Amino acid sequence: GAVVSQHPSWVICKSGTSVKIECRSLDFQATTMFWYRQFPKQSLMLMATSNEGSKATYEQGVEKDKFLINHASLTLSTLTVTSAHPEDSSFYICSARETGKNTEAFFGQGTRLTVV
Amino acid sequence: AQSVSQHNHHVILSEAASLELGCNYSYGGTVNLFWYVQYPGQHLQLLLKYFSGDPLVKGIKGFEAEFIKSKFSFNLRKPSVQWSDTAEYFCAVTGKGNNRLAFGKGNQVVVIP
Repeated sequence: GAVVSQHPSWVICKSGTSVKIECRSLDFQATTMFWYRQFPKQSLMLMATSNEGSKATYEQGVEKDKFLINHASLTLSTLTVTSAHPEDSSFYICSARETGKNTEAFFGQGTRLTVV
Repeated sequence: AQSVSQHNHHVILSEAASLELGCNYSYGGTVNLFWYVQYPGQHLQLLLKYFSGDPLVKGIKGFEAEFIKSKFSFNLRKPSVQWSDTAEYFCAVTGKGNNRLAFGKGNQVVVIP
């Protein structure tokens, strides 16, 4: 199947700093990518839909100034957690669906963010 | 917006036992349905999907799921589980023409050898 790569897999940062997470579709183009957050023992919560060349669509309750999303090309979306706090510590997962195809979403391996 | 319910978050069973995980969704229109699996330390992988056609869908590793439109359900089954099926299983739904995948809370399945 198609491959989605996330980087880094694990990051520790100090409170108040910003962290950027990359999501790449390696062998297909994705006009739309999705960012999820997964708390321990809970389901994936959709944070935002990232659209290539335009502004992301955020879910209710997700602060767009806190979680900056950029989707500058058909194979790359980035999520920047700005001024991170310990409560932002979580597992962030991206997914992508191939442009123009009604197929399933392919998931990255996730990024474990720990804010200390 | 679509939503998904999964019950019995923790399931413990012995090898060779049969497994059935319930999934109910709410959405007013036509749906695409998915089951994803997350093995310990690994990322989400697709088990099977339903878009249209035969409501009984067969996936990888001996799993199958049946779409029952009248019940808004898409239950996952495996007749005889193995220790390697220990994982977390997520049901997900997206409305046709709608890219948003809504996930259930997942079922943590532990298979005892």
